[in-house]
Parts: sequence; structure tokens; C-alpha cells
Amino acid sequence: QVQLVESGGGVVQPGGSLRLSCAASGFTFRRYAMQWVRQAPGKGLEWVAFLRYDGGNKEYADSVKGRFTISRDNSKNTLDLQMNSLRAEDTAIYYCAKGWKYLDDWGQGTLVTVSS
Amino acid sequence: AIQLTQSPSSLSASVGDRVTITCRASQAISSALAWYQQKPGKAPTVLIYDASSLESGVPSRFSGSGSGTDFTLAISSLQPEDFATYYCQQFNSFPITFGQGTRLQIK
Repeated sequence: QVQLVESGGGVVQPGGSLRLSCAASGFTFRRYAMQWVRQAPGKGLEWVAFLRYDGGNKEYADSVKGRFTISRDNSKNTLDLQMNSLRAEDTAIYYCAKGWKYLDDWGQGTLVTVSS
Repeated sequence: AIQLTQSPSSLSASVGDRVTITCRASQAISSALAWYQQKPGKAPTVLIYDASSLESGVPSRFSGSGSGTDFTLAISSLQPEDFATYYCQQFNSFPITFGQGTRLQIK
């Protein structure tokens, strides 16, 4: 069965950096687009970033453009999100999810807290 | 960016009731819409994609309809496990966007 396991969350000061990872298993990772979605505490879902199956196309939400970078390693079945210049409003649970358009599998999420 | 507006924002209903949730897009998105269910402390799961296609394993009491700008999620006979928050999502164009959510509570 599909498994997506995020890691790398934690507490970071404003202006700091963090790198999230998502380990994928149970499907042919290199054939699927992957995305990151976040959810601030008590709030709704916010799309963050998209990466095509071959890494050839990346898309970002305006709120993270220029600060976050999505990448993947198809030889290791991993998806990453490098987050720089973090702000308090980036505090959220970050989910990795599988799919080009709709998201048919999600990880359990990893919590990122940006606070001094 | 395409805005999605869900209504109502919250809804109280009883087991066995039929409920509908609507999602309106700020511009036409064809049938590029999905519906998700999220329970407290859990990741969302997809219920409906392409506006009306039922995801494998999802009970048939869930159905979706609509195209263009107006969409509906219907639950034909509420079960205890259906009390959750529901989100619509458009994938017609980037940036992908979600509705603000509809919290379905037990009456």
C-alpha cells in the first residue's frame, strides 16, 4: 500500500531554515507528480508546491515563492521541501501528497513551528 | 488565483440525514474539482475527483456533481463516521486552491 512519511519538522526561529523530507513507498514514485500542502493550527488547507514526476516542472504558491524549493530524488524515492527565510505565518503541519491534479494519497504530516 | 467559496461553513445534521455542501469557483474550472474529508488529527482523504468520480473505496452514499463554477457534494444518509470537515479543491490551473472548509457536526 502507498506510504508517505514526512520528517524534518521542528521549531525554528524567524528567518531560519528547515528542510522537510517525504519518504515514499508502495508505488512507482518516479511516475507520479508530488505536492506539498500545509495547514496552520485550526485553519484550512493551503497548497504549497508542485513537482512533476521527472522534476521538470515546479510550481509554488505566491506565499512561498522565492523562499521554498521543492525537489525530489527518484533513485531514493524521496521528496524534499527546503524552506528558507521562515516566518511566523509558515507555522503549520506540512503534508506531502501524491498526484498531479487531485491528491489521492497523503502523509501524516510534520509540524513546523516558527517562533522566537 | 481561482477562489473557491464553500457553503455553508458549518452544518449540523443527524445520522440518516441527507446533506449537501456547495463549492463555487470564481471562474470556470470545467470539471477540475475534488472533494476531501478530514477528521481531527488526520490527513485529508479524497472522496470525489473530476467533480463527480467516486474515489475507489469511498462509500456510494457520497456523490459529487457540477461543472463550470458551481459544484455540490452530497451525502445521502449520514453515518457517524461522516462527521468531519470537508474541503473542495480546484486543479484547473496553478496555483491550486482549496475552499475554506465545511465543518459537519452532529446535531
